[in-house]
Amino acid sequence: NAGVTQTPKFQVLKTGQSMTLQCAQDMNHEYMSWYRQDPGMGLRLIHYSVGAGITDQGEVPNGYNVSRSTTEDFPLRLLSAAPSQTSVYFCASSYSPGWTRNNEQFFGPGTRLTVL
Amino acid sequence: EDQVTQSPEALRLQEGESSSLNCSYTVSGLRGLFWYRQDPGKGPEFLFTLYSAGEEKEKERLKATLTKKESFLHITAPKPEDSATYLCAVQSLYGGSQGNLIFGKGTKLSVKP
Repeated sequence: NAGVTQTPKFQVLKTGQSMTLQCAQDMNHEYMSWYRQDPGMGLRLIHYSVGAGITDQGEVPNGYNVSRSTTEDFPLRLLSAAPSQTSVYFCASSYSPGWTRNNEQFFGPGTRLTVL
Repeated sequence: EDQVTQSPEALRLQEGESSSLNCSYTVSGLRGLFWYRQDPGKGPEFLFTLYSAGEEKEKERLKATLTKKESFLHITAPKPEDSATYLCAVQSLYGGSQGNLIFGKGTKLSVKP
């Protein structure tokens, strides 16, 4: 199993540009999520999905869109990039949405995004 | 409001010098408490899940414990390869999605040979 994969690893954007961060998992996990990690802030939840076709907002959703058309993929779209979106983005997945035990989340390697 | 506080922010140890990291939490109902290890430039790596007060889990030199208000990550005789940032997170029984994690800011551990 490849686990959770993310592409690209690094990206530089100009203010106003749009892009999609890709996330895929091959573990047949129902739950997937996106976090951003900023110095001194810890990991903060952007959006999450409890299954194909179902998404919801986390703590910091503004400026981001998600969709979940398949179990495996959960892309994160930046609509109009802003310098405040400079961060490291992590995708994570787990077997269940948290209604049972053994639901630890597995993280991808991250995408480091800089918005100029 | 659900909240996780980790202390200290940074900890420097000599190889073999045992110590503990603290994770204090406030949550309306605890579904689970998670410990992760994060190396520079990498994603968090899962270590432990604890579900109820009194529960303990061990892995090599690491031992995690849980009370009703906090969790400790005990590191026994650490080695330089234990150097990393250790993250604590909780899942709440209530709220939007029971799967969501609330993270602390982490403790950066450095172990010198």
